[in-house]
Amino acid sequence: AQKVTQAQTEISVVEKEDVTLDCVYETRDTTYYLFWYKQPPSGELVFLIRRNSFDEQNEISGRYSWNFQKSTSSFNFTITASQVVDSAVYFCAPRRASYDKVIFGPGTSLSVIP
Amino acid sequence: DGGITQSPKYLFRKEGQNVTLSCEQNLNHDAMYWYRQDPGQGLRLIYYSQIVNDFQKGDIAEGYSVSREKKESFPLTVTSAQKNPTAFYLCASLRGGSITNTEAFFGQGTRLTVV
Repeated sequence: AQKVTQAQTEISVVEKEDVTLDCVYETRDTTYYLFWYKQPPSGELVFLIRRNSFDEQNEISGRYSWNFQKSTSSFNFTITASQVVDSAVYFCAPRRASYDKVIFGPGTSLSVIP
Repeated sequence: DGGITQSPKYLFRKEGQNVTLSCEQNLNHDAMYWYRQDPGQGLRLIYYSQIVNDFQKGDIAEGYSVSREKKESFPLTVTSAQKNPTAFYLCASLRGGSITNTEAFFGQGTRLTVV
């Protein structure tokens, strides 16, 4: 069985603050990919980043960075110097390295206040 | 431009009626998905198809039906058996099979309201 948890239901930050979104993926699989998607108020989901389970090196891309700790199945996504346009719902979505369906975590609603 | 198109954007249904939501993609993707999203909730999987002429039930398939006669099309019918169909419906596509490192592409969604 596999389980995706995003413990933070809602987060509010003031513009320019850093914010970290948490995702925990419990699975017996050793090989998988983790994706983050953003859903702005318009409704359409947009892909942000992907990480694989066999690479724990932290990465930075612009204002986005992500930290993956395989020992705790924790995949955290950080937005540096948040902006109002970052206000959206963020979904974590794992995909196992097999012929498998796409599932999503429950999502975290981020509000960036001017 | 390649993409995925859902229509209509807004749909109103009378109780007891069947309605069909359209989803078309020109990305040459094998897999297509339908999700339902209720206010303040996550995405719940209705049906998915990994290949033409084949599809599987997701977590909440009751009251819905689909077909996959063409690679580019995956219409969803909301039947009268679905007791609470008012929701936001999202269609997605992605490269299927054993390729797991590619992201899903989403349509703009259809907001269905029962009147």
